Amino acid sequence: DSGVTQTPKHLITATGQRVTLRCSPRSGDLSVYWYQQSLDQGLQFLIQYYNGEERAKGNILERFSAQQFPDLHSELNLSSLELGDSALYFCATGTGETDTQYFGPGTRLTVL
Amino acid sequence: QKEVEQDPGPLSVPEGAIVSLNCTYSNSAFQYFMWYRQYSRKGPELLMYTYSSGNKEDGRFTAQVDKSSKYISLFIRDSQPSDSATYLCAMRSGGSYIPTFGRGTSLIVHP
Repeated sequence: DSGVTQTPKHLITATGQRVTLRCSPRSGDLSVYWYQQSLDQGLQFLIQYYNGEERAKGNILERFSAQQFPDLHSELNLSSLELGDSALYFCATGTGETDTQYFGPGTRLTVL
Repeated sequence: QKEVEQDPGPLSVPEGAIVSLNCTYSNSAFQYFMWYRQYSRKGPELLMYTYSSGNKEDGRFTAQVDKSSKYISLFIRDSQPSDSATYLCAMRSGGSYIPTFGRGTSLIVHP
């Protein structure tokens, strides 16, 4: 168990809908990274927050947004969902600028 | 061409075998190399971390980097059924802590 929690574990929704995924970091971790994992694309970096501020952006669609709150938990918002958004979404956290990222168990999103 | 190429497998071996997992990459700026292990329905966990070329050993695991060939390997000695998982390579340049991942190789170690 990495100490990183993600909710919900599974999410089934319809196209066009909006969902929010939540990530709670390990105690003391200031960085949160969001990743999308699909069979055809592998693990793709979406966005990083550090102590409440956006630090780096990857292949994140405009329909997706994220934020990190003062208590350091983070939320990933996905809107206008499409079938192709079905994937596993992971958050990973770390103490700071470090290669040691601790991954949560992921949220499996299914868009029907 | 993807920046990081990794054969998805599956690679099936008998218990006790030596396993070799490999990745190739195209970006010569990559300096830091990582291997993650991902069990089914779990998040990836960092297994090995190396900087630049050379070998690093940790128990039954050895990570090898050949920057001249843009080729990295992970060797698992005396493989066990509990090693059955997907192994992802990841790498990054010196300018960012965001790694680029391979798609992962599925390993099955059968008793």
